[in-house]
Amino acid sequence: DGGITQSPKYLFRKEGQNVTLSCEQNLNHDAMYWYRQDPGQGLRLIYYSQIVNDFQKGDIAEGYSVSREKKESFPLTVTSAQKNPTAFYLCASREPGQEAFFGQGTRLTVV
Amino acid sequence: AQSVAQPEDQVNVAEGNPLTVKCTYSVSGNPYLFWYVQYPNRGLQFLLKYITGDNLVKGSYGFEAEFNKSQTSFHLKKPSALVSDSALYFCAVRSWRDAGNMLTFGGGTRLMVKP
Repeated sequence: DGGITQSPKYLFRKEGQNVTLSCEQNLNHDAMYWYRQDPGQGLRLIYYSQIVNDFQKGDIAEGYSVSREKKESFPLTVTSAQKNPTAFYLCASREPGQEAFFGQGTRLTVV
Repeated sequence: AQSVAQPEDQVNVAEGNPLTVKCTYSVSGNPYLFWYVQYPNRGLQFLLKYITGDNLVKGSYGFEAEFNKSQTSFHLKKPSALVSDSALYFCAVRSWRDAGNMLTFGGGTRLMVKP
């Protein structure tokens, strides 16, 4: 089945620790996105990538980093510089002009 | 810059009644418009989109939306609501000439359908 897979579903981070969220798609989409969703709020764009080896900052990129070494993979690292990382993280991919397909999300909690 | 407004945090309707979830947008050039639904602790599911053509767009699960260019609106509608329609709904927009291909989302509207 074609789709977009995020892992893990739940992730716990200690203070000062970097963690990496995985996002893999087998839809052959060029563009991939990371969004952050906070309780009762909409989605805010963290980073996006239109093509392999290229990515751009979104609205709230501070404290996050990404890589796009392969078309099907777009991992997000939440660094210790992100002071309030507890949130629901959503990865998406799409073709230009078409709808985005979303993963099931990763819930990150700082402990 | 493009933006989306969903003016209602929550919409309450009785099962069997028609529902409307409002969305207005601001974008340079012609818009691509989308509606998504989110169930608790899940990703977003695509409902419908407007790219071009007929202003009334039909989508999944009996939902439809009407594009109104003069009012820059794209309201989501359903003739008869179901309890199972209760969820969080997001409107999104992208300009057809946006080189960044970025989707901008509204803040979401929680739909509560009561039996």
